[in-house]
Amino acid sequence: EDQVTQSPEALRLQEGESSSLNCSYTVSGLRGLFWYRQDPGKGPEFLFTLYSAGEEKEKERLKATLTKKESFLHITAPKPEDSATYLCAVQAGSNYQLIWGAGTKLIIKP
Amino acid sequence: DAGVTQSPTHLIKTRGQHVTLRCSPISGHKSVSWYQQVLGQGPQFIFQYYEKEERGRGNFPDRFSARQFPNYSSELNVNALLLGDSALYLCASSSLRTAYEQYFGPGTRLTVT
Repeated sequence: EDQVTQSPEALRLQEGESSSLNCSYTVSGLRGLFWYRQDPGKGPEFLFTLYSAGEEKEKERLKATLTKKESFLHITAPKPEDSATYLCAVQAGSNYQLIWGAGTKLIIKP
Repeated sequence: DAGVTQSPTHLIKTRGQHVTLRCSPISGHKSVSWYQQVLGQGPQFIFQYYEKEERGRGNFPDRFSARQFPNYSSELNVNALLLGDSALYLCASSSLRTAYEQYFGPGTRLTVT
């Protein structure tokens, strides 16, 4: 069964303290892995798409990487405005639907 | 450019009632997907439509139905509402060029009492 697991469930950091969020997946025929940011009560905001192992994408303080089994979202010198839930999703095989993880709630304290 | 829009933003219904949620995709996007998200969980796939045809359906009961119109907007209908249907309902649109990159609307918060 296709599955996506994110860890940790929650992460509290001080402003400027770098860290990484993990998204591990077990799917048949990965077509793409997606990272989203979601603020409370709002829809997810698209961040990155990764298609193949070894690929990396960067946006401001965020960097996403992909291996054959997992993806990491690295956050460098975070600021309080980076506080949000970060969601990972995968698309596999010929199925058009995305399979989602439960998310990591990131809290950055000033 | 306008993003994905959804209406209404909030809705309170009673058990057994029916609800219709609406979504307008980003201009030029022909695919619309619907998701249900309960607190603390990732979105759960309900439907995907492309060019007015259903392209995928998640594991939801027949009380849930949807359709896509010629202008690519979409409706999600839920009949015989249950307390467990209370959730944030999300609509996402995507283009053929980036078929799996989905852009979400702000959602409709449905509360069933």
